[in-house]
Amino acid sequence: NFMLTQPHSVSESPGKTVTISCTGSSGSIASNYVQWYQQRPGSAPTTVIYEDNQRPSGVPDRFSGSIDSSSNSASLTISGLKTEDEADYYCQSYDSSNQGNWVFGGGTKLTVL
Amino acid sequence: EVQLVESGGGLVQPGGSLRLSCAASGFTFSSYWMHWVRQAPGKGLVWVSRINSDGSSTSYADSVKGRFTISRDNAKNTLYLQMNSLRAEDTAVYYCARDTGGFAVLWGRGTLVTVSS
Repeated sequence: NFMLTQPHSVSESPGKTVTISCTGSSGSIASNYVQWYQQRPGSAPTTVIYEDNQRPSGVPDRFSGSIDSSSNSASLTISGLKTEDEADYYCQSYDSSNQGNWVFGGGTKLTVL
Repeated sequence: EVQLVESGGGLVQPGGSLRLSCAASGFTFSSYWMHWVRQAPGKGLVWVSRINSDGSSTSYADSVKGRFTISRDNAKNTLYLQMNSLRAEDTAVYYCARDTGGFAVLWGRGTLVTVSS
């Protein structure tokens, strides 16, 4: 089955830029859209990027998404880091070989210190 | 207000059953595919099941196939998850989510299911 792999944790200082990767296990990650969700402790997830690089209304343009076919990975980049960005981030796509069922990455804990 | 509200969670013994509900409001529920996603304590998000807009097609994660059943009542704007033969590893917060072209923009707040003797 298709899997998505993320780093367990990343950390960076306020005002800096951080990139979180999400690598597909097989096939081409570019074949299906990738989404990114932010989850703060005790809260439900919220969407920060959909369809690889689109931002829902209300999400600041400090958040951006991209696809790198050469490494079969997607990336979430957050620039001008703020302490409020500290959260868990999950990538999500679909398993084309399994009825298009959703697949989540394991999540990345972002620490802003 | 556009929202999803889950209910029905609680403490259940191993081997027991529970039915979760997800009440939708503020949008045309019958137009959307819906999903259940769960999160074990301290762990990541895991997709559980999905159902299409009219309830004629369903799909499940291997870990719950044969034990869980997703359904919906479009007249009542409600999504369900019938969970049977529950195991300790089913302990999690269960979220319902609205599918908007293959991803979720709308999530419920979740309901906690604890399987323990």
